[in-house]
Amino acid sequence: KAGVTQTPRYLIKTRGQQVTLSCSPISGHRSVSWYQQTPGQGLQFLFEYFSETQRNKGNFPGRFSGRQFSNSRSEMNVSTLELGDSALYLCASSLEAGVNEQYFGPGTRLTVT
Amino acid sequence: TQLLEQSPQFLSIQEGENLTVYCNSSSVFSSLQWYRQEPGEGPVLLVTVVTGGEVKKLKRLTFQFGDARKDSSLHITAAQPGDTGLYLCAAWDNYGQNFVFGPGTRLSVLP
Repeated sequence: KAGVTQTPRYLIKTRGQQVTLSCSPISGHRSVSWYQQTPGQGLQFLFEYFSETQRNKGNFPGRFSGRQFSNSRSEMNVSTLELGDSALYLCASSLEAGVNEQYFGPGTRLTVT
Repeated sequence: TQLLEQSPQFLSIQEGENLTVYCNSSSVFSSLQWYRQEPGEGPVLLVTVVTGGEVKKLKRLTFQFGDARKDSSLHITAAQPGDTGLYLCAAWDNYGQNFVFGPGTRLSVLP
């Protein structure tokens, strides 16, 4: 069974631009969560989507948003990029919402200049 | 204040040595997970502990959940270079709204 895939793997954007990241979960998994990982803050939860609905949201500004499609694929959008948004963005999928066993993708490395 | 604290932050040992890393909190968790992350990759789930006092073994790795379900430890026997990585503990917060990771222990096993 194929794992979680994320595209693109690397991205360079300029401050003020917006960016969309994509995540395809493991087949059969209906929940997708997004995380931001930085050297200073570590891994931080952004939000979780289940059945096309945002179920939980971490402590991030409204510039960070997401959505989930009927096939469980998910996208994450960051608007008005700031230098501090440079990070590894990880997507994880699980069979159901709020469960412990999450399977992570390799991440998208975003650099904001 | 971090919900989950991990110690030590860094650990460098020789191949064949034993080690223990810790995950602590003032909160009680219904369950707790351990992940390992290697450079350029996402975290990989190692184990989920659920019951207070529970001990789980995964080859040379032994995981223990504290009796009060506030802390956990990971013990590696006869460490190998392949064990090198960032070890993270994680759990849902008390409201079930935020999945929280500890800051991690970065382990380096030298041949």
